Amino acid sequence: AQTVTQSQPEMSVQEAETVTLSCTYDTSENNYYLFWYKQPPSRQMILVIRQEAYKQQNATENRFSVNFQKAAKSFSLKISDSQLGDTAMYFCAFMKRTGNQFYFGTGTSLTVIP
Amino acid sequence: KAGVTQTPRYLIKTRGQQVTLSCSPISGHRSVSWYQQTPGQGLQFLFEYFSETQRNKGNFPGRFSGRQFSNSRSEMNVSTLELGDSALYLCASSLGVDNQPQHFGDGTRLSIL
Repeated sequence: AQTVTQSQPEMSVQEAETVTLSCTYDTSENNYYLFWYKQPPSRQMILVIRQEAYKQQNATENRFSVNFQKAAKSFSLKISDSQLGDTAMYFCAFMKRTGNQFYFGTGTSLTVIP
Repeated sequence: KAGVTQTPRYLIKTRGQQVTLSCSPISGHRSVSWYQQTPGQGLQFLFEYFSETQRNKGNFPGRFSGRQFSNSRSEMNVSTLELGDSALYLCASSLGVDNQPQHFGDGTRLSIL
């Protein structure tokens, strides 16, 4: 079975500062994908970033980057230059190499303070 | 290109009733997955449909069922509603090929009185 753990229920950061959200997972799979999704109050889940487990290079998308440690089964998200629009719930998710099913963590509520 | 459309946006039902939720995927997408989101259990996978066939199923009771039509639109049905079924129900669509990006709708907020 796959499990995803986000140990920080709530976090806050000052506007323009950097924040890191933690995520660990457990799986016996060797090939898989990891994701960070953002869910603002509008409810729609928005893909922030995606990492392929067989790639050693950490994924980056503009202000968003990950620190992927496969051996430690850790997948943290770093948000640089935080903006008010980053305020949202952030979910870490796992997907096997084959199949379309997400396994989500419980989420981290991030508030960006002006 | 239109996004994933879920209807209705809000729904209020009473215990024992049944409900049908609808999801229209992005044009060309053949896979539709359904998730239940609650404060206590988080996001849990219900099932996935691909080309009108259920391809994968989560651990939910038989009261939860779904189907997919030839135009890839999907419906989810919950019978004999319980208070614990109150949740945000999200659907996601994709091309259906393994690990293609999935796009979520805005969800249907179901409240059971």
